[in-house]
Amino acid sequence: TQLLEQSPQFLSIQEGENLTVYCNSSSVFSSLQWYRQEPGEGPVLLVTVVTGGEVKKLKRLTFQFGDARKDSSLHITAAQPGDTGLYLCAGGAGNNRKLIWGLGTSLAVNP
Amino acid sequence: SAVISQKPSRDICQRGTSLTIQCQVDSQVTMMFWYRQQPGQSLTLIATANQGSEATYESGFVIDKFPISRPNLTFSTLTVSNMSPEDSSIYLCSVETGQTYEQYFGPGTRLTVT
Repeated sequence: TQLLEQSPQFLSIQEGENLTVYCNSSSVFSSLQWYRQEPGEGPVLLVTVVTGGEVKKLKRLTFQFGDARKDSSLHITAAQPGDTGLYLCAGGAGNNRKLIWGLGTSLAVNP
Repeated sequence: SAVISQKPSRDICQRGTSLTIQCQVDSQVTMMFWYRQQPGQSLTLIATANQGSEATYESGFVIDKFPISRPNLTFSTLTVSNMSPEDSSIYLCSVETGQTYEQYFGPGTRLTVT
């Protein structure tokens, strides 16, 4: 059974601080996505990484896919209250097209 | 990407009744998924709904409890049958587009069973 371990589960920081969220697995994924979800809404896709070692940047967010395509990280620089939300990683592999989901990181950025 | 709408956005239902949730997509898609989520927690896949075939259910979910219809490539419904308070949750539909497993989600249906 494929698992995706996401940490930390909860994070409360002050505005301006940096943070990193990790997703780790013993399985290889064809692609890995990061989503952000705000209360009352569905998850919104932030980024997809597909190549081992790939780094993608989205403003103050930096996403990295591990060389072996088994792990990924999300780094936020100078967090802002608007970054508050539930961050979810999800990996895709296999022909059934299902995603394997991490447990999520609930981020609160305090002004 | 795709734009997905869900109806209803929320409902409060009596135990023993059934609720049908609708999911409408603005483009034709092959793969649709139904999830359940407790607030602040991760997603649990209920079933995969492909047009023209029976839905594929995950362990712990059965067709009698969660019947799914997928009449065409832009629409699906999930029914939560014979509801109990344990069915109180957020129900989300999503679609996959492209080749890299990316999924796009509707806004969810918040169900409360009393």
